[in-house]
Amino acid sequence: EAGVAQSPRYKIIEKRQSVAFWCNPISGHATLYWYQQILGQGPKLLIQFQNNGVVDDSQLPKDRFSAERLKGVDSTLKIQPAKLEDSAVYLCASSLSMDEQYFGPGTRLTVT
Amino acid sequence: DAKTTQPPSMDCAEGRAANLPCNHSTISGNEYVYWYRQIHSQGPQYIIHGLKNNETNEMASLIITEDRKSSTLILPHATLRDTAVYYCIVRVAGTGRRALTFGSGTRLQVQP
Repeated sequence: EAGVAQSPRYKIIEKRQSVAFWCNPISGHATLYWYQQILGQGPKLLIQFQNNGVVDDSQLPKDRFSAERLKGVDSTLKIQPAKLEDSAVYLCASSLSMDEQYFGPGTRLTVT
Repeated sequence: DAKTTQPPSMDCAEGRAANLPCNHSTISGNEYVYWYRQIHSQGPQYIIHGLKNNETNEMASLIITEDRKSSTLILPHATLRDTAVYYCIVRVAGTGRRALTFGSGTRLQVQP
């Protein structure tokens, strides 16, 4: 089966610019997660969707980050405006059950 | 979810067993132990999980002590492809599709 797809794989922007990341989960997976992974640290949850509803966005910096999951399938994560500290890998994951989450390859964002 | 403690790094010779420890002394009775790994430039990958009995699959074995305060992930015949960061995560069961809380993990270096 196809895995979780993410694009782009790499992005370099200047601070104060905006950027968007796209995720296509595994077909049939109702739960979708966005994680942020700063270099040298483990991934940290930004937002979790169940179908197209938000389950947990308590750690999402809502003044600059937004996410949506239209029709309960694909999802987009946006940062506007970006800061230097947003440089990280943004990982998308999906799951069918609570036993296992499937991660995409991530998008590496560099903010200069 | 209970906190976990893992050594920051370990080395293992290729072909030998890699034994990765994890301490979770505050684990509750309904919390599972999960292991994920992250190979360089990839998203995390599920390995195995268990509640109190030892578990084995095609990738690894999970040994949980009788008091459940610690566990060991065993890769029986480590290869160079097993070089990765290994995360031990404790997670409450029956809470739906909750996100994972990652620590810093153990960086396993398999030496030729």
